[in-house]
Amino acid sequence: DGGITQSPKYLFRKEGQNVTLSCEQNLNHDAMYWYRQDPGQGLRLIYYSQIVNDFQKGDIAEGYSVSREKKESFPLTVTSAQKNPTAFYLCASSIEAGSYEQYFGPGTRLTVT
Amino acid sequence: AQSVTQLGSHVSVSEGALVLLRCNYSSSVPPYLFWYVQYPNQGLQLLLKYTSAATLVKGINGFEAEFKKSETSFHLTKPSAHMSDAAEYFCAVETGGFKTIFGAGTRLFVKA
Repeated sequence: DGGITQSPKYLFRKEGQNVTLSCEQNLNHDAMYWYRQDPGQGLRLIYYSQIVNDFQKGDIAEGYSVSREKKESFPLTVTSAQKNPTAFYLCASSIEAGSYEQYFGPGTRLTVT
Repeated sequence: AQSVTQLGSHVSVSEGALVLLRCNYSSSVPPYLFWYVQYPNQGLQLLLKYTSAATLVKGINGFEAEFKKSETSFHLTKPSAHMSDAAEYFCAVETGGFKTIFGAGTRLFVKA
């Protein structure tokens, strides 16, 4: 089955530690995205990538970093500089960046204490 | 700049009643509009999308939405609610900037 996988489902970290969230897709999509979801705020774009080896900051990129070394993989690192990292993180992909529907992974819930 | 407003963070209906979830958008160019559904602790799933081919768009699970340019609206409806429709629904707009803007979401409750 084609789709997007995110791992782990739940992640716990101590404050001050960097943590990397995994996102893999086998849909052969060029574009990939990372969103943060907080209650009552919808989805906010962290980073997006239109093609391998290229990515752009979204609306709330501070404290986050990404890489896109392979078409199927788009890991997100939450650094210690992110002031409020506890949230639900969603990865998505689309055939191309632009007016195409996005396919979402199941999400990773990160809790930092 | 484009934006999306979903009226009502929570909507409650009885099983079998009409579902109406409201979405208004702001865009200076013809938009692409989407409705997504999210079940608890899961990712989003596409319900339907508007791409200018037809103003009335039919989606999965009996949902449909009508694009009204004069009202800048794209409300989601379903004639008869099922218990399984209880979820959070997101309206989204894409206007060619390679970014999709999502509304804040509307949580739908269905009462037996």
